Amino acid sequence: EVQLVESGGGLVQPGGSLRLSCAASGFTISTSWMDWVRQAPGKGLEWVASINEDGSAKDYVDSVKGRFTVSRDNAKNSLSLQMNSLRVEDTAVYYCASEYINGHWGQGTLVTVS
Amino acid sequence: QAVVTQEPSLTVSPGGTVTLTCGSNTGAVTRGRYPYWFQQKPGQAPRTLIYDVDHKHSWTPARFSGSVLGGKAALTLSGAQPEDEADYYCMLLFDRARVFGGGTKLTVL
Repeated sequence: EVQLVESGGGLVQPGGSLRLSCAASGFTISTSWMDWVRQAPGKGLEWVASINEDGSAKDYVDSVKGRFTVSRDNAKNSLSLQMNSLRVEDTAVYYCASEYINGHWGQGTLVTVS
Repeated sequence: QAVVTQEPSLTVSPGGTVTLTCGSNTGAVTRGRYPYWFQQKPGQAPRTLIYDVDHKHSWTPARFSGSVLGGKAALTLSGAQPEDEADYYCMLLFDRARVFGGGTKLTVL
């Protein structure tokens, strides 16, 4: 069974940090661009960050540039998002997802900045 | 930053056909924007229905199809079922940035 499982969410004060993880099973992430996507309560989806297959290319939405860092460990089949200088407006469910032919999503992890 | 536009809401009758569209304030949407379509039901994570304009995943019901039409990306649902009631989001690529549309709430009634 293919799964993406996010972890690391929680309650943090403004200015604080959190590290989200995404563990994949049932498929290998090394062949996929991987994304972090968030959804604020009652709102739509917002792309946060992407990383290419070998980690050499990373892209971010403007609102998180300089604060968030995406990384991956293909040997561990996992993805991470380091979030620093968190703001109230970063409050959301954070999903990891694989792009293109894989197309899998995790169930999300809730980050509350308050 | 690019803005991606979708119909806020649409209604389709059971068994009917509906087309959801995805436009951009930067101009016509072409295959080069690699449009994606996602379905999200209440309380659930999104799932990818369509990638790269018209490619389906193994779990995508055959009644869904993707295209680029009239300068917009389109998701067509032919033979709507009650379980298709959901929010639908498109996503376009601009260079390497991804931008989601605001979503379309589809009612099957």
